Amino acid sequence: SQQGEEDPQALSIQEGENATMNCSYKTSINNLQWYRQNSGRGLVHLILIRSNEREKHSGRLRVTLDTSKKSSSLLITASRAADTASYFCATPESGKLIFGQGTTLQVKP
Amino acid sequence: DTAVSQTPKYLVTQMGNDKSIKCEQNLGHDTMYWYKQDSKKFLKIMFSYNNKELIINETVPNRFSPKSPDKAHLNLHINSLELGDSAVYFCASSHLGGTLNEQFFGPGTRLTVL
Repeated sequence: SQQGEEDPQALSIQEGENATMNCSYKTSINNLQWYRQNSGRGLVHLILIRSNEREKHSGRLRVTLDTSKKSSSLLITASRAADTASYFCATPESGKLIFGQGTTLQVKP
Repeated sequence: DTAVSQTPKYLVTQMGNDKSIKCEQNLGHDTMYWYKQDSKKFLKIMFSYNNKELIINETVPNRFSPKSPDKAHLNLHINSLELGDSAVYFCASSHLGGTLNEQFFGPGTRLTVL
């Protein structure tokens, strides 16, 4: 089953702008994770937010979690060309991580 | 000092052949995974091993057989390759309870079946 769904599927912004990606999920979770995938590379873990947390920061990343709406958002502030990548949310279900289809972010210099 | 490594990076082969992909992690993790990513970037788990024992086996054809000789290695053998097997295969590892912790991914193996 597809647990996480991301929105938008693609996002193109100018360097310096903020980028916001959203993720919705279906079942109750104890955490939600965000990963980044650069073209032709493996996924890299960015941040994990637990179900009892509402917001978490890591450098230029800000993640929010609204368990009542079953949604999360990832905000990248002051984007850089190097942030160009696909971003995935992942939620645990039956002992495994279920990934969304990702948001492809392009940051133009 | 690569954390999770896979070989080969690229694999091009004919339908019907048998091939293997190797994965090794030097993070001391006890759980390893195989994922398949299709052309639309949809990432789906195939198998999970904990301490050399199979703990997750998704609906994957019997042609796919994972083998874990020790905690640090999880290889994937594929028999009678089909066109639909073309994808990028990722190995990953984590501490036990990988859904509670981050997973570390290898660089991927792009498999092309002709």
